Amino acid sequence: EGQLLESGGGLVQPGGSLRLSCAASGFTFTNYAMSWVRQAPGKGLEWVSTILNSGHTVYAESVKGRFTISRDNSKNTVSLQMNSLRAGDTAVYYCTQLDYYAHRIWGQGTMVTVSS
Amino acid sequence: QSALTQPRSVSGSPGQSVTISCTGTSSDVGGYHYVSWYQQHPGKAPKLMIYNVNSRPSGVPDRFSGSKSGNTASLTISGLQAEDETDYYCCSYAGNYIWVFGGGTKLTVL
Repeated sequence: EGQLLESGGGLVQPGGSLRLSCAASGFTFTNYAMSWVRQAPGKGLEWVSTILNSGHTVYAESVKGRFTISRDNSKNTVSLQMNSLRAGDTAVYYCTQLDYYAHRIWGQGTMVTVSS
Repeated sequence: QSALTQPRSVSGSPGQSVTISCTGTSSDVGGYHYVSWYQQHPGKAPKLMIYNVNSRPSGVPDRFSGSKSGNTASLTISGLQAEDETDYYCCSYAGNYIWVFGGGTKLTVL
């Protein structure tokens, strides 16, 4: 079935940076596009970024130019480098596996809090 | 991309059926056969319930079904059970490897 395990969340000051990681297991990592989806406290889900098998990357307008998604196929990991963080970026960040254009597998999430 | 529109809440009695709507545009819901639905219990990660408008992953009860007409997709839950009470989100592919989610619907089982 596959599993995803996120790490790297925490408390960061506005303007700061944080790097999230997601370790994949139980499926052939190179066969799938991967995404990050976030959820602000008490709010709905928001798609953040996707990286295809080819390495092509796409971002939501709200994070474009500040966030960078990458993948290491040798380690079965996907990362999200977040710079110039704002209070509005405070959320639980989920790593997801994309299959048939749906977010099939979800990690447990990692909390990012941007506050002074 | 604007969020898809879902009702904030729906309710139904045990054994009844409820339908949750998800309205988008011709650039997302209406333009692709790639609408998915997620169930999220409090404090838990979302779970995929429907993909490609009306396909169910293995392990999802056949009480859950999906459909689409024009720019509106729907999730129908038949034979409501107490454990179905939680939040549901729709999601649509919007082209160019972009996805958009709905605002979420809270289902109450009366």
